Amino acid sequence: GESVGLHLPTLSVQEGDNSIINCAYSNSASDYFIWYKQESGKGPQFIIDIRSNMDKRQGQRVTVLLNKTVKHLSLQIAATQPGDSAVYFCAENPGDNYGQNFVFGPGTRLSVLP
Amino acid sequence: ETGVTQTPRHLVMGMTNKKSLKCEQHLGHNAMYWYKQSAKKPLELMFVYSLEERVENNSVPSRFSPECPNSSHLFLHLHTLQPEDSALYLCASSQAPGTNTIYFGEGSWLTVV
Repeated sequence: GESVGLHLPTLSVQEGDNSIINCAYSNSASDYFIWYKQESGKGPQFIIDIRSNMDKRQGQRVTVLLNKTVKHLSLQIAATQPGDSAVYFCAENPGDNYGQNFVFGPGTRLSVLP
Repeated sequence: ETGVTQTPRHLVMGMTNKKSLKCEQHLGHNAMYWYKQSAKKPLELMFVYSLEERVENNSVPSRFSPECPNSSHLFLHLHTLQPEDSALYLCASSQAPGTNTIYFGEGSWLTVV
């Protein structure tokens, strides 16, 4: 079936460096994507979203890139800080019938090294 | 402060107990959700409500029973659960089902003993 997957289950980066978290999706009909951050013991927190009519969207220190040709989504975090340590996962919406909801990836754990 | 609040945050229950999880959203949204998050699986959608009407049930066992008395409140009634039901149960809301951002609560950690 259709699925959302992550290339890397864990990612360690040095504080101050940029982080790139990747996500592959398989449903070419997906038209809306979200990145979530989940810290230990907390619920997922919305970070940034992007619709399929865009290739790039920027937020505060975060950028999401969408490559529809290869069905690839990435989250870039600039100047990674210790507070960025968390599990990040992407979600895609297949954009089909009412009630068809987001498909979530398994997540990538980001560890920020001092 | 999250716009979606869940209680209790932690719950330990025996397999013969009956308990309920509660969720309240303060965002004025029309759709509410229950998700299950376990250690080795992605988020699993359990139930979707839109304007208090259940619109989707992803083949969830009957030992989980949702209730949505109004668009701001959602309950998950639990009875005769199994140890494998131990997980983080997340409530969420969105403006409407479909292509709208979903906002999550902090979750209720459930342990079935």
